[in-house]
Amino acid sequence: KAGVTQTPRYLIKTRGQQVTLSCSPISGHRSVSWYQQTPGQGLQFLFEYFSETQRNKGNFPGRFSGRQFSNSRSEMNVSTLELGDSALYLCASSIDRGTQYFGPGTRLTVL
Amino acid sequence: AQKVTQAQTEISVVEKEDVTLDCVYETRDTTYYLFWYKQPPSGELVFLIRRNSFDEQNEISGRYSWNFQKSTSSFNFTITASQVVDSAVYFCALSERGSGNTGKLIFGQGTTLQVKP
Repeated sequence: KAGVTQTPRYLIKTRGQQVTLSCSPISGHRSVSWYQQTPGQGLQFLFEYFSETQRNKGNFPGRFSGRQFSNSRSEMNVSTLELGDSALYLCASSIDRGTQYFGPGTRLTVL
Repeated sequence: AQKVTQAQTEISVVEKEDVTLDCVYETRDTTYYLFWYKQPPSGELVFLIRRNSFDEQNEISGRYSWNFQKSTSSFNFTITASQVVDSAVYFCALSERGSGNTGKLIFGQGTTLQVKP
C-alpha cells in the first residue's frame, strides 16, 4: 500500500501571500489530521477531517483552514502568511480514531 | 490538562549501549492511547508502537521494548544494543478517546538520540 503523500515537499513564499498544501491519505483511510512543527513550539495539532467534515480543531488563528474531498484527499490553506508560519507541515491519515501514519511533510519558508 | 513530557532533550551514546527514553503524560481521560514515533533527518514521522490505556503489558519488538506504567503515568522506550541507524528524534504522543478529541495527538517535545560509532 502506498503511504501518505504530500505535495509540494518544499515551498517558499513571501509575507502576505497565501499557500495551499495537499495531502493524499493511505487508501481506505478516511481521517486526515494536520500538524505544524517548529523548533520553538514543537509538533502542534491544526485540525482533523473525517468524511469531508472538520471534526476537531487546534488552537490556531482563522488564517489556517482546511478541507477534505470525497476521495479523502485533504488540503490546508494558510492566508496572509507571516514569518512565524515557516514550519514543517505534516499530514497524517488513519482509518478512524486509530494509529496515525504520517507523510513526509511540506517545508514552508516564509520570507 | 493533557500533556506529554520528555525531559531528556538530547542523549548521546556509543553504539551497542542500551538507552532508555523517558515519557511522562497527564490526562483526565480514562481511555487513551500512547504512541512512540521516530523522526529521522528526512522529517517523516515513523510509527513505532501504540499502547491502549487498558493494556499495561510491556512489549518487546526486536531491539525495542516499551514499559507502560499507569501508576506513574509513564511510557518509557528502551533500545537495546543501539546502532548508528537509531539516531533520530523520538516523540512520545498521547491520544485521548473522549468525545471531541478525535484525530488529535499531543506530542512531547522530543528526545534527540545520537548514536556514535
